[in-house]
Order: sequence, then structure tokens, then C-alpha cells
Amino acid sequence: QSVLTLPPSVSAAPGQKVTISCSGSSSNIGNNYVSWYQQLPGTAPKLLIYDNNKRPSGIPDRFSGSKSGTSATLGITGLQTGDEADYYCGTWDSSLSAGVFGGGTKLTVL
Amino acid sequence: QVQLQESGPGLVKPSETLSLTCAVSGYSISSGYYWGWIRQPPGKGLEWIGSIYNSGSTYYNPSLKSRVTISVDTSKNQFSLKLSSVTAADTAVYYCARREIYGSGPFDYWGQGTLVTVSS
Repeated sequence: QSVLTLPPSVSAAPGQKVTISCSGSSSNIGNNYVSWYQQLPGTAPKLLIYDNNKRPSGIPDRFSGSKSGTSATLGITGLQTGDEADYYCGTWDSSLSAGVFGGGTKLTVL
Repeated sequence: QVQLQESGPGLVKPSETLSLTCAVSGYSISSGYYWGWIRQPPGKGLEWIGSIYNSGSTYYNPSLKSRVTISVDTSKNQFSLKLSSVTAADTAVYYCARREIYGSGPFDYWGQGTLVTVSS
């Protein structure tokens, strides 16, 4: 059972937009920055979003992040087949004094 | 360019100690950042194991804390993971990664991962 809650799967058609919500609590998302990672099949996770809404160099602006209260959201616009991957949210949990991840969301681009 | 590479045995017997090393290139561990370990059981999600600063300051996942030790060797620019009393539940791909200094800092560079299987 993960500390952060993600939907197991989401799907949308190419060109469409999808959002993935990550739910936590005041000890984690509510008082800490959130990061998002993309894991393509058979590869290591890749940082997509950090500090709730910032994109590392090289990440297209089709990817966006936001946070409100104890939830964070990843948005992907202009979906491409290459976006099919598992997506994870992560943050720090101040009560645990440890990092935590969501269980992962599998994105299918139909 | 920062690169991380995990190394260690791919097969460990139950009750023994899993030992992995992460060699860092393109950046000096002594210069800063936290350095961490994350694992992923086959077909499952990511699990945060722990992280270490160049001073030796560590943070561990409470659920693994009694069995985990992370250490750093700045002279070799590498850090290591030891997980004792392993069981089949510890079978996973183990990743090493670099993390920003602040608590909720992201893991910005990752190793390719190494599969460790616990089996007799």
C-alpha cells in the first residue's frame, strides 16, 4: 500500500489530453514539493516535473504539473503513442522522514 | 554529463546480505547532493530505500531501516547499499540516483538499474 495514491491506469486517444492525480496528506504532498517521473517499458524512471510544476531541460511543455492542498496533478497534452508509460509521483514525507512514491499509473494511448 | 552505474551480484541467497555499489561519473559526490537507492519489484511500483549525503548523513525508509545501510566513499566517487537478511520479497530492480539536497528534492539522474534475485 503506497503512501501516495495514483489511479492504476488512464487512457486517451492520440492528440487528446490526460490528467493523472496523485493524492496524499499534509505530511507529504501538503507540505512538500512533488515530482513526477515517466518510466518507459524496460527503462529507468525519468524526471518529468519537479517542485510541483517545473520542467527539467529537454522536457516538452506538453507536460505540466500542479498542486492543490494534498493533491498533485500531472497533465499531458497532445498525447503521442510514445507517451505510453508508467507515471509516478514522489515527494518527501515529513512524518516518516523518508521519500515516498505513488504506486504508479499506466498510461495507454489508444 | 552525470552518469550512475550500479554493480553487484545478480543472485543472493535468502538470509544473506545484498550488496550493491553505484559508481558516479561526471560529478563529484563531494560537491553536494544526496545520493539514493530506489527499488522496483518485478511488475510493481517504485520503493524509496534511502539516501546519503557526502558527510555520511542518511535517511532510510522506516520499513527497511533495521536491515539497510547506505555508505559513501568520496575517494572512489561511489556509494553503496547493504540490505541484510534478504528474502524473496527483496527481489527487485535496484536503482541508484542523485537527489537534490532539500527533502522533497527530485531524483534527477538515475542509473540503468540492476536486477537482484533472491533465491537459493
